[in-house]
Amino acid sequence: DAKTTQPPSMDCAEGRAANLPCNHSTISGNEYVYWYRQIHSQGPQYIIHGLKNNETNEMASLIITEDRKSSTLILPHATLRDTAVYYCIARGSSYKLIFGSGTRLLVRP
Amino acid sequence: ETGVTQTPRHLVMGMTNKKSLKCEQHLGHNAMYWYKQSAKKPLELMFVYNFKEQTENNSVPSRFSPECPNSSHLFLHLHTLQPEDSALYLCASLDRVSEKLFFGSGTQLSVL
Repeated sequence: DAKTTQPPSMDCAEGRAANLPCNHSTISGNEYVYWYRQIHSQGPQYIIHGLKNNETNEMASLIITEDRKSSTLILPHATLRDTAVYYCIARGSSYKLIFGSGTRLLVRP
Repeated sequence: ETGVTQTPRHLVMGMTNKKSLKCEQHLGHNAMYWYKQSAKKPLELMFVYNFKEQTENNSVPSRFSPECPNSSHLFLHLHTLQPEDSALYLCASLDRVSEKLFFGSGTQLSVL
């Protein structure tokens, strides 16, 4: 599975959009981009995933560039409860999720 | 609440003890996973079971012994652990339809 690169930390103000970038320049055509988040000492929580097209659900939006070498997770109106570590993962056909270090997002009041 | 239940939530054991971690899901999923998360480190995949058969062992020491008696239950048997095995142990199950992994809340293990 392709390696992903994320900034180690970010912050945003409560109520504003949080835009979390992910670089996956070696991603192959059949690899999906997944996003999970982990709130302190809990199990990771699924957020969203996509292959080529942009995706939106009740939690977030996923924007994937046309060349698929990078993506951005958007939390449209961040709340204090969105403070967590966010993981971007490239998943191939094996259903194994290999987690990196993620981005620690701090939402400020 | 994800539907994946792990017990116990916390466990303290000595290096000579034998203990077991339990994971249970009644979501109809047929693939289950064990992950380990040491302090301030990424999650590490340990084992994968598909339809009760082990399909992945990520070079895990033999002092960790997994068991999957049926598609709903997964155990991790622990014996003669080391202090460096102290970590959060997470179980997950796979929904092949939605292609999502559902995680339990984990067992926080301390080895003294």
